[in-house]
Amino acid sequence: TQLLEQSPQFLSIQEGENLTVYCNSSSVFSSLQWYRQEPGEGPVLLVTVVTGGEVKKLKRLTFQFGDARKDSSLHITAAQPGDTGLYLCAGDASGTYKYIFGTGTRLKVLA
Amino acid sequence: DTEVTQTPKHLVMGMTNKKSLKCEQHMGHRAMYWYKQKAKKPPELMFVYSYEKLSINESVPSRFSPECPNSSLLNLHLHALQPEDSALYLCASSQPGQRRTDTQYFGPGTRLTVL
Repeated sequence: TQLLEQSPQFLSIQEGENLTVYCNSSSVFSSLQWYRQEPGEGPVLLVTVVTGGEVKKLKRLTFQFGDARKDSSLHITAAQPGDTGLYLCAGDASGTYKYIFGTGTRLKVLA
Repeated sequence: DTEVTQTPKHLVMGMTNKKSLKCEQHMGHRAMYWYKQKAKKPPELMFVYSYEKLSINESVPSRFSPECPNSSLLNLHLHALQPEDSALYLCASSQPGQRRTDTQYFGPGTRLTVL
């Protein structure tokens, strides 16, 4: 069974702090996606990482794909209240469109 | 344009009702998906259509019936649902690629309440 474990599950930090969210699996993924989701809304795509060791930056967000393509991380610099939400990693390890989502990280940034 | 639209936004139905959820995308994607998401949980895959053919059914009860009339539309027909089926239903689409770099784009969801 494919699993994507995210850590931490919950994170409450002050505005201006840095944080890192991890997404780990024992399976190899051809690509991984990161999404942010607000309550009652659909997940919004942040980034897709494809190449092992790849680093992508999106303003204050930095995404990294592990060399073996089994794990990924999301680092947020100088978090802002607008970063509050549920962060999800997702991928298809089997190549059959059977996407799975990570367990999720619920982030709250306090002003 | 990376938009996936879903209607209705909210739906309240009784256990004897028949209703349908609709999803549309105009990105030329040839794979479309239905997910169910309960509160504080990640989305769970229900169905996948690839090139308008049902390719994955994750053992979903027959009271949920998907339909893909064409490459842009995806429906989910609902009949005789149970209160535990209340959830956010998400539609997504992706474009299958040779290098498996397809990325899913999600709609805003339909909040379903079964009374």
